[in-house]
Amino acid sequence: DTAVSQTPKYLVTQMGNDKSIKCEQNLGHDTMYWYKQDSKKFLKIMFSYNNKELIINETVPNRFSPKSPDKAHLNLHINSLELGDSAVYFCASSQGSSGTGRWRLSEAFFGQGTRLTVV
Amino acid sequence: GEDVEQSLFLSVREGDSSVINCTYTDSSSTYLYWYKQEPGAGLQLLTYIFSNMDMKQDQRLTVLLNKKDKHLSLRIADTQTGDSAIYFCAERRGGTASKLTFGTGTRLQVTL
Repeated sequence: DTAVSQTPKYLVTQMGNDKSIKCEQNLGHDTMYWYKQDSKKFLKIMFSYNNKELIINETVPNRFSPKSPDKAHLNLHINSLELGDSAVYFCASSQGSSGTGRWRLSEAFFGQGTRLTVV
Repeated sequence: GEDVEQSLFLSVREGDSSVINCTYTDSSSTYLYWYKQEPGAGLQLLTYIFSNMDMKQDQRLTVLLNKKDKHLSLRIADTQTGDSAIYFCAERRGGTASKLTFGTGTRLQVTL
C-alpha cells in the first residue's frame, strides 16, 4: 500500500502548456506539502495545506496553483509552463496535532516524485 | 541566511564508517531529520532527533547534535553498497506553520 502517491511519475510537455500533478495520501494525515527539487538536488518547499487550508505559500509564481479538494488530496496545477519549471516535484504529508498550546507536526512522508521536463 | 549546509560528496569503502555533516541555521529548530534519497526515488526518513537531545542511536545510525554550534551529523556504521544515495538533513523550525528546510544534500558513494 503506497502511503503518498503522485501521478504521473514522468511528465514531458512543451512550453506554454498547462499541466497538473496529483497527490493522494492514505495515512489519514491532515497536512500536505509540495516541494520542488531542482537539477542540483536542492529541495525547497512550495506550499503546505492543513485540513484543506493553505498555510504556507513560499515565493512561488502564481502560475502554480495548489488545490486541495479534501485533506487526502493536494493537486498542483501549473499554467503556462516555462523551461525553468523543469524539476522533480515531491508531495508529502504529515500529521499535525495541537496540544498544550503548541502545534506539532510528525515527520513528513514523501511521495516518489514527479519528474517534469519542459521542452 | 536560510541555508542549511552540507558537504556535497563523500566516498567511503564498504565496511567503513561514514560521517555526514550538516550545519543548520535556526537555533529554535525543534526537530532535525535525516532523509535518504536513492536514485530516481523519493525521500525516505531515516531518523530524527529532538532538539533537547545530544545523541540518538538507531541500529547502524548514530545522530549527534551540537546545539551550540548548530551542527548535526549522521554516522553510518559498517557502510554497505546499498547505503549509496543522497542524504539530506532537514530542520523543522518552530511556529504554527512549521515546515521542513532541507540541506543541500550529500552524495554518499560506497566503493568495494
